[in-house]
Amino acid sequence: SQTIHQWPATLVQPVGSPLSLECTVEGTSNPNLYWYRQAAGRGLQLLFYSIGIDQISSEVPQNLSASRPQDRQFILSSKKLLLSDSGFYLCAWSTSGGANTDTQYFGPGTRLTVL
Amino acid sequence: ELKVEQNPLFLSMQEGKNYTIYCNYSTTSDRLYWYRQDPGKSLESLFVLLSNGAVKQEGRLMASLDTKARLSTLHITAAVHDLSATYFCAVDINYNTDKLIFGTGTRLQVFP
Repeated sequence: SQTIHQWPATLVQPVGSPLSLECTVEGTSNPNLYWYRQAAGRGLQLLFYSIGIDQISSEVPQNLSASRPQDRQFILSSKKLLLSDSGFYLCAWSTSGGANTDTQYFGPGTRLTVL
Repeated sequence: ELKVEQNPLFLSMQEGKNYTIYCNYSTTSDRLYWYRQDPGKSLESLFVLLSNGAVKQEGRLMASLDTKARLSTLHITAAVHDLSATYFCAVDINYNTDKLIFGTGTRLQVFP
């Protein structure tokens, strides 16, 4: 069966510090991968998605970047965090291919607080 | 601009009652998903609706999709406290990338 991992689970960082969040998927190959952010009490905002290694699409101009160095690894980064980067970051995966009708499966999330 | 709107945003209901959550979207799509989120937790997939007229049921929850009206509903029957959570609908707008646009969410609170 497929499993999605995220770490760390919780992170408190000062403004201006760098960020690296990691997401890995097990039990599937060539998945579509996604990064979302959820501000407190709000909905989900799609940040990045990837349909393959080194193929990253950015949805919203922001202080963040994403990379996919391996097929089942997706990394969210920032060089300098802002207060507004605080939130709950969720990684998700889905089966690739246009005929796929499967849902997205979400990881446990990383709660980031920028002070 | 693509919009996915849910209403109500907040729903407080008594155990045993019925209610419906609505999800309206502004683009053409026949793939719609419902998710549940418990406080402080990740999202759990509830239903996958893939065609006009699709209806899925699981326990006290039933979801339906009307692609012509661009409307999905999540009906709650005889609510129980365990259903308290936030419910999101999401519309697939790119079948090659499965890019989803999420609704605003409906926070459901069921009280005795």
